Amino acid sequence: QKEVEQNSGPLSVPEGAIASLNCTYSDRGSQSFFWYRQYSGKSPELIMSIYSNGDKEDGRFTAQLNKASQYVSLLIRDSQPSDSATYLCAVTGRGGGADGLTFGKGTHLIIQP
Amino acid sequence: GAGVSQTPSNKVTEKGKYVELRCDPISGHTALYWYRQSLGQGPEFLIYFQGTGAADDSGLPNDRFFAVRPEGSVSTLKIQRTERGDSAVYLCASGRQGNEQFFGPGTRLTVL
Repeated sequence: QKEVEQNSGPLSVPEGAIASLNCTYSDRGSQSFFWYRQYSGKSPELIMSIYSNGDKEDGRFTAQLNKASQYVSLLIRDSQPSDSATYLCAVTGRGGGADGLTFGKGTHLIIQP
Repeated sequence: GAGVSQTPSNKVTEKGKYVELRCDPISGHTALYWYRQSLGQGPEFLIYFQGTGAADDSGLPNDRFFAVRPEGSVSTLKIQRTERGDSAVYLCASGRQGNEQFFGPGTRLTVL
């Protein structure tokens, strides 16, 4: 049974600071890793994907992957009130991106103006 | 281009009734996925189609749930003899094989 663990929060961060969101996964064979943002009452929106160890940057977002520690993180620089949302970590299995995703429960992030 | 669309956006039904939920994927996406999400939880995988065939239906909770994709584009999720525990948001996603999945707006199903 694949599991993805996230701290549910809420995580409160002042505007302009760095928000750090963490995720661990149980299946060592997982190949692909994703971060989705979900506003209340809306569907998940893909914001980052990462497939190999290290960092991947896209604008204010940086995803970090450490397969040896089975750990994925998302950093949001210069946090804005509009970043307030639930952030979902998702992983695929050994088949890679063609698999269904296993999601964590999400971390509720609040950016304080 | 157009994203994933789902209809209806809301569906209220009575216990024991049959419902159909429709998903229209992004044009050109061969992979289509169904998930359901309960309040406070992440989406839960139900079934994955590659083209017309169900490549993985391991997430379907029981035989009351069935999905089809007869022409490799639009998919319908069918739920027979609905139960109150089936109430959730049903999400559809599509993607190119091996890559990211993009979600539709979802169908909120309420079983009274």
